Order: sequence, then C-alpha cells, then structure tokens
Amino acid sequence: GESVGLHLPTLSVQEGDNSIINCAYSNSASDYFIWYKQESGKGPQFIIDIRSNMDKRQGQRVTVLLNKTVKHLSLQIAATQPGDSAVYFCAEKRNNQGGKLIFGQGTELSVKP
Amino acid sequence: GAVVSQHPSRVICKSGTSVKIECRSLDFQATTMFWYRQFPKQSLMLMATSNEGSKATYEQGVEKDKFLINHASLTLSTLTVTSAHPEDSSFYICSASRGHNTGELFFGEGSRLTVL
Repeated sequence: GESVGLHLPTLSVQEGDNSIINCAYSNSASDYFIWYKQESGKGPQFIIDIRSNMDKRQGQRVTVLLNKTVKHLSLQIAATQPGDSAVYFCAEKRNNQGGKLIFGQGTELSVKP
Repeated sequence: GAVVSQHPSRVICKSGTSVKIECRSLDFQATTMFWYRQFPKQSLMLMATSNEGSKATYEQGVEKDKFLINHASLTLSTLTVTSAHPEDSSFYICSASRGHNTGELFFGEGSRLTVL
C-alpha cells in the first residue's frame, strides 16, 4: 500500500561494500517496477526498471531482483560509493488503477568513506 | 533524455494566498502528467493524474478545490494551491509521460512551497 506517514528507514554501509535495498509491494496487478534515486531537494532519478516477466535485471553496478510470489523487490548496488548516498524508492505501475505509478516507502542510504 | 521543468523551484507565500506551480515537458509532448507531494523524510504521494484536455483525476483524500490542476496543452500542466495554509508547505513534484508505457516517465526537479 501507500507509504504516506511513515518515516524512512536508513541503511548505512562502508564505501566499497555492496548495498541491498528492499521493497515490498502489495498490488498483484502491478507489472512494471522502477527504482529511483532521490538526492536532497531534487526530483527522483531513474535508476533501473524491471517487468513482471523477469526476475532479474542488471545495469551498471546495479541489479534489481523481483520475487512476484512474495511481492518483493530489491536493489543491489555493487561497490557502493559516497555519491550513492541518497534516498532510494521503488515504484510500481498499477494496471488495475489506471496505470498510475505508486511509490514505496523509500530507504535512506548513507555511505561512509 | 527528456526534460521536465518545474517553476518555481522555491516559493514562499503568506497564508491565504494562492500559488501556481508550472510543469513543462521541454522536448516531448506529454499525454499525461502526474502531481506528487512529498513531506520531509517521507515518500512521494500521488495527488492527481492530469490528462491533456480533460479534468484531472484526484487521489482519495486530495481536495480538488484546494489543488487545482490544469493541463491545457501537451507540454504544460499547472498546479494551483488555493488559499494556502502552513500545512500545505511541502515539496511538489510533477512527472510527465511521453506515452502509455510508464517507463517513459520523466520527473521535474520539484517545487518547494513554504506557507508562512
């Protein structure tokens, strides 16, 4: 469901380590998922997306995993860098609600040098 | 990539006044635009879906008379916060869809509204 009113969980990692950010979604009809990165005071930036007919997709230093059985999405960032510090949101496209894009709770990633 | 521009990026107004925020798709025609609001340390909450030439569709709990949305052209949507109050202070973000595939959804840089 929507995450309004909940405060962001945080994840702190050491520079060079891998980061895993998780997201749960609730709508079985969602067939398209996107991860966004948001830096302070800015709009969301597209990172990577995945369709429901896939369970894994890789980009540059990022991998998204999708488990439709338990409605779970994860974003893996390899060799995390200080520039990766930001808030990360997953978003789902709800086909049974006019295709609107609904954002998950978000996770604040902090990378320690 | 495609660019979506929001203006103003920051606005401060007095309680009771109205504020208009513009969202423009600079290099493509946006059939649909979305408006979100975001409170500090929280996620983006969808307020409404705006289709060119038709009335906006508001999410449950969002007052349509309070947040007026106009999508008069394929490159411009406006959000007017009427009779603003301090609780309307928030970060407002628009996004624009170039097609039916939401993958082609581009976000503006947001507009920070502070109501005194």
